Amino acid sequence: SQQGEEDPQALSIQEGENATMNCSYKTSINNLQWYRQNSGRGLVHLILIRSNEREKHSGRLRVTLDTSKKSSSLLITASRAADTASYFCATANNAGNMLTFGGGTRLMVKP
Amino acid sequence: DAGITQSPRHKVTETGTPVTLRCHQTENHRYMYWYRQDPGHGLRLIHYSYGVKDTDKGEVSDGYSVSRSKTEDFLLTLESATSSQTSVYFCAISVGNTDTQYFGPGTRLTVL
Repeated sequence: SQQGEEDPQALSIQEGENATMNCSYKTSINNLQWYRQNSGRGLVHLILIRSNEREKHSGRLRVTLDTSKKSSSLLITASRAADTASYFCATANNAGNMLTFGGGTRLMVKP
Repeated sequence: DAGITQSPRHKVTETGTPVTLRCHQTENHRYMYWYRQDPGHGLRLIHYSYGVKDTDKGEVSDGYSVSRSKTEDFLLTLESATSSQTSVYFCAISVGNTDTQYFGPGTRLTVL
């Protein structure tokens, strides 16, 4: 079973708009990570937020984590056509021996 | 790609045949992982390794075995391939067990 569940499953926006993706999980975690996957390629790490952190920024990316609600969100500001990809959240369990991925959000940014 | 290669990149095989996929890294990272990716399921962990000859099962390990006889190579074997094992297989490495993972380019396996 998947630990993380992304919402929405698919998102289509215009270039310049902001994109928000959400992730919910079920059990306690060590950290939560977001990855990006372009079609036919491997996953690329975007950002990691630890369980004692609430918000983190990296360039146009903003990630929040609410451990009380077991949820996280990824915000991409001023989106570009090149941001078109699938985005996955992944949670690291407390035992520290594995990541569990959600099903992903497919983002399309129209030029 | 963090120095990770996978071979082969594409393979078509028949039900019942053995298949071995190879993951090779050049940076001596301790942790290595095998995932499969299927539509609607994201990535699911098959097996992982935390050192030479040290391996453990993941979420979907049935029908798969692994071996790691040296740091740089992590092999995934399907002893008798089935059509349900048609998937894209990704290898990943990490420095620490809960740290960022770096993924290889993937192997697309089709079992007819």
